[in-house]
Amino acid sequence: KQEVTQIPAALSVPEGENLVLNCSFTDSAIYNLQWFRQDPGKGLTSLLLIQSSQREQTSGRLNASLDKSSGRSTLYIAASQPGDSATYLCAVDSGTYKYIFGTGTRLKVLA
Amino acid sequence: DTAVSQTPKYLVTQMGNDKSIKCEQNLGHDTMYWYKQDSKKFLKIMFSYNNKELIINETVPNRFSPKSPDKAHLNLHINSLELGDSAVYFCASSPQYSGANVLTFGAGSRLTVL
Repeated sequence: KQEVTQIPAALSVPEGENLVLNCSFTDSAIYNLQWFRQDPGKGLTSLLLIQSSQREQTSGRLNASLDKSSGRSTLYIAASQPGDSATYLCAVDSGTYKYIFGTGTRLKVLA
Repeated sequence: DTAVSQTPKYLVTQMGNDKSIKCEQNLGHDTMYWYKQDSKKFLKIMFSYNNKELIINETVPNRFSPKSPDKAHLNLHINSLELGDSAVYFCASSPQYSGANVLTFGAGSRLTVL
């Protein structure tokens, strides 16, 4: 059974810092992994999707990496801004018509 | 032009009542989902449908009955509501199953059972 864990659960950093969010999954047989952002009281916004054959994806200040064999993904945020404050969720698609979500990292970037 | 829309956004009701949440997507996606987000913000799959056919029923009580009249709609009906049903329910959709299966979410429907 696939389980997805994210650490840290919460993170508070000053503006301008580079930071890394971690996602671990127990079953390496995945089709893809997706990172989402959720603002308070809102839905989820897709940030990056990494297919199982890929090692990383980049979008602006965001870079996501995937190491299937070790069951890990990281989301790197460069030069963080207060507008980056949100909960970040990773989700794993194991090819069973369902994404399994991690527990989330609540990020606060201080101005 | 909303991609995945859910109604209502908020729903407050008494225990024992029956309620429905509607979801529509205009993305042309084949697969639709219902997720439940509890008070601890953990997101858990409830149902997935592919082209109107039920694919996943993740041990959800049979008080919850999804219905997909066509591949653009997936509604959720809940009978005999209980306090523990209070949560935010998210509808989502994705293209036909493939490696690049980007999941698109609705804004959520917050259900409060009193």
